[in-house]
Amino acid sequence: AQSVTQLGSHVSVSEGALVLLRCNYSSSVPPYLFWYVQYPNQGLQLLLKYTSAATLVKGINGFEAEFKKSETSFHLTKPSAHMSDAAEYFCAVSGNTGFQKLVFGTGTRLLVSP
Amino acid sequence: NAGVMQNPRHLVRRRGQEARLRCSPMKGHSHVYWYRQLPEEGLKFMVYLQKENIIDESGMPKERFSAEFPKEGPSILRIQQVVRGDSAAYFCASSPLRTGSTDTQYFGPGTRLTVL
Repeated sequence: AQSVTQLGSHVSVSEGALVLLRCNYSSSVPPYLFWYVQYPNQGLQLLLKYTSAATLVKGINGFEAEFKKSETSFHLTKPSAHMSDAAEYFCAVSGNTGFQKLVFGTGTRLLVSP
Repeated sequence: NAGVMQNPRHLVRRRGQEARLRCSPMKGHSHVYWYRQLPEEGLKFMVYLQKENIIDESGMPKERFSAEFPKEGPSILRIQQVVRGDSAAYFCASSPLRTGSTDTQYFGPGTRLTVL
């Protein structure tokens, strides 16, 4: 069984500040991990994914995430927030062989103030 | 290269009516997945299909819901006799045929179903 916990349903930062969105996972098999972003009334866009290669994963729009097995975490960071980063962010986990359904967290809404 | 397409984008139904949601996967993709997003919640897996086959429907409600992905045409998620609790955003995702690995799923814009 797999699950994802996203701490903080809302995170507020100022423009230019560090963004940190937390994700902890539980998985009985080696996991693949994903971060997706959802803008209002739109579908999900893949930001980045971890597939057991490098533990530090770089994604689009300046985001990156680090897989820490000892902490069962996959936190998403960005050094400097931009107004356009305001959106809902979802962390997801799947297994690493064949088809494995994505199991999503409940999401974190990022608010960016000027 | 067009992305995953879903239609309609918004659908309003009265209780007891049927809802049909369509999904056209990305070109070259033969795997389709349906997820449901209830208000203020994350996405929940419903069903995984390949052409003419349902591979995993472990997330589908036992009654009123069905899905198909015919040889020709889009994948259809069908909800019969809708109830207010079916109001949600329904997302379709697709991935290419690639055996032996878990591939990235690309999501469509979703269909927002409102049941009056």
